[in-house]
Amino acid sequence: HLLESGGGLVQPGGSLRLSCAASGFIFSDYVMTWVRQAPGEALEWVSVISYTGDSTYYAESVKGRFTIFRDNSRDTLFLQMYSLRAEDTATYFCAKKYCSAPGCPFGFDVWGQGTMVTVSS
Amino acid sequence: QSVLTQPPSMSAAPGQKVTISCSGSSSNVGRNDVFWYQQFPGKAPQLLIYDDDKRPSGIADRFSGSKSGTSATLAITGLQTGDEADYYCGTWDSSLRGWGVFGTGTRVTVL
Repeated sequence: HLLESGGGLVQPGGSLRLSCAASGFIFSDYVMTWVRQAPGEALEWVSVISYTGDSTYYAESVKGRFTIFRDNSRDTLFLQMYSLRAEDTATYFCAKKYCSAPGCPFGFDVWGQGTMVTVSS
Repeated sequence: QSVLTQPPSMSAAPGQKVTISCSGSSSNVGRNDVFWYQQFPGKAPQLLIYDDDKRPSGIADRFSGSKSGTSATLAITGLQTGDEADYYCGTWDSSLRGWGVFGTGTRVTVL
């Protein structure tokens, strides 16, 4: 239902764009999020985007460096990452909010398998 | 940074019960619905509990959630070897402009 791509090895200060292709549900009906997990560490929320893409939120750790956006015509979510740091090394998951109603609580029922991002020289 | 605190590990024998706590604050757990996720090594998280205490279809009734004030709890009864996994709580934090938060994670081991 969700398939991430775009991860890889990048040097500190570099950029990368992650993609998340959705299928099996009406993509434009759902809020989408990115969550990351450094090796051996806990889940860390990264960013969330509204149905239309006109409202976004970011974790303080990535604010100003990452941009979340979506293309509802292509059923695809993106995460553009700039000025990457070693501490951004993680598996990045995209996930779909569990309900489509306005004001739906912050929970996610469909997750991609993740794409690994390694920031290293 | 995780702002929801969970015990790092819990263990019990098969058939026993474990309870995992998730401690937050009035701006997150105390204000918004809590979700619980199960994650096996190398796999994506799976939604286990939503809206504090509801189970998605397909989730065994051995898993239950509850919340009181700024703390939430996940209980697993009739523990099975297949329950060995990491468990995370998560919710929205309504402070400042708002942000998503997850717990520190709990590794459950079946003895």
